[in-house]
Formats: sequence, structure tokens, C-alpha cells
Amino acid sequence: GQNIDQPTEMTATEGAIVQINCTYQTSGFNGLFWYQQHAGEAPTFLSYNVLDGLEEKGRFSSFLSRSKGYSYLLLKELQMKDSASYLCAVRETSGTYKYIFGTGTRLKVLA
Amino acid sequence: DARVTQTPRDKVTEMGQEVTMRCQPILGHNTVFWYRQTMMQGLELLAYFRNRAPLDDSGMPKDRFSAEMPDATLATLKIQPSEPRDSAVYFCASGRDYGNNEQFFGPGTRLTVL
Repeated sequence: GQNIDQPTEMTATEGAIVQINCTYQTSGFNGLFWYQQHAGEAPTFLSYNVLDGLEEKGRFSSFLSRSKGYSYLLLKELQMKDSASYLCAVRETSGTYKYIFGTGTRLKVLA
Repeated sequence: DARVTQTPRDKVTEMGQEVTMRCQPILGHNTVFWYRQTMMQGLELLAYFRNRAPLDDSGMPKDRFSAEMPDATLATLKIQPSEPRDSAVYFCASGRDYGNNEQFFGPGTRLTVL
């Protein structure tokens, strides 16, 4: 079946580094996405991994291990504006593409 | 800059009424998605179009929901009849099915069914 797990909440301090983990069980894996969603707003795209390894983009990096069904999002030099929900999503192919989102990790950045 | 637009932004209606939500995808995007978001279920994919053709609507309750793309600039999601359990935020997103496959989300329609 389809399953995506990520922690419900995390708290970190401004300036610190935080790692948000995501594990998934899907069939026909075809890419993993991370989105950021501030309260009351729409999700915005952060990253896309389809091959194993680390993708770095500024303060944000995303890692994928397909054999382990595991990804993480790494946020460095945390800022107050990084307080948001972070959604892990997997695209699987089973005839057509299906996009499955996790329920999100709510990150609170404290001063 | 180009954005996905959705109307209405807020809708309050009574159980049994028909609700139509509209979405204008970003020009040049060939994929359009409808999602529903609730606190309990998170973000759920309802329907997905590619080049205006429906590719997947397995996440949509077929008896009351329908999604269409009458042309490349308009996608609609209709609920008839609406029920209180349909109360949620409905997002439309568009993108291209190549490159990083990024989806650009609209601001959402907050639906309340009384």
C-alpha cells in the first residue's frame, strides 16, 4: 500500500540546523518532493529528488535513498520565517502517476 | 509574475447545494491538479489532468464530485450535492511534466458546508 511517515512537529532554535525525516512505502517510485506551507497559505515547492543522493539549494538540502525508502530535508541557519509545515510527497507510477503527500511536519523556530 | 488563480476564495453553502470551484492554470503548463486539504487527512489528490485529458481521479468520490477542463485556461471542480464532510480547503495546482515537475499551487478555496 501507500504510506508516507514524517514527524508531526519539531522545534528548533534560530540559527540552528534541523533535519526533517520522511519514510515512504509506495509502488513504482518516480520521485520525491518537499513542499513548504505557511499557515493559511498554499504549499510552495522546495525540492525534487529522483536519484539517490543530496540536492543542495541554498540553505535547504534534500537527500534520497531509494533502497531505504527514506528522505530528509535539511534546513541550515534557521530563520524565524522558516516556521511552517514541511510536506513530503512521493510520485508513484501505477499506470498513471499518483502523487501522495504526507501529513506534514510542523516546524517551530524559536528565537 | 505568473500565478495560478482560483475562485471563489471562500465559499459557505448549505448541505445539498451545488458548489463549483474554478482554476486558471499558469499559461504553458500542461498538468493540472485538484487537491483537498483537511487537518485530519492532510493534502489529498482528487484529480489530475495532462494536456487537458483526465489521467487520474481515483481519489475523488465519484458519486458527487466531478472535474473537467473545458479549455486550457480553465479547470473546474464541482460538488453536487455538497455535504458537511466536504468542508476543506481545495487547492488547484499546475505544472509541467518534465524537469523538476514542480507544482505551482493556487491560493485555495476554503469551502464550508453547513
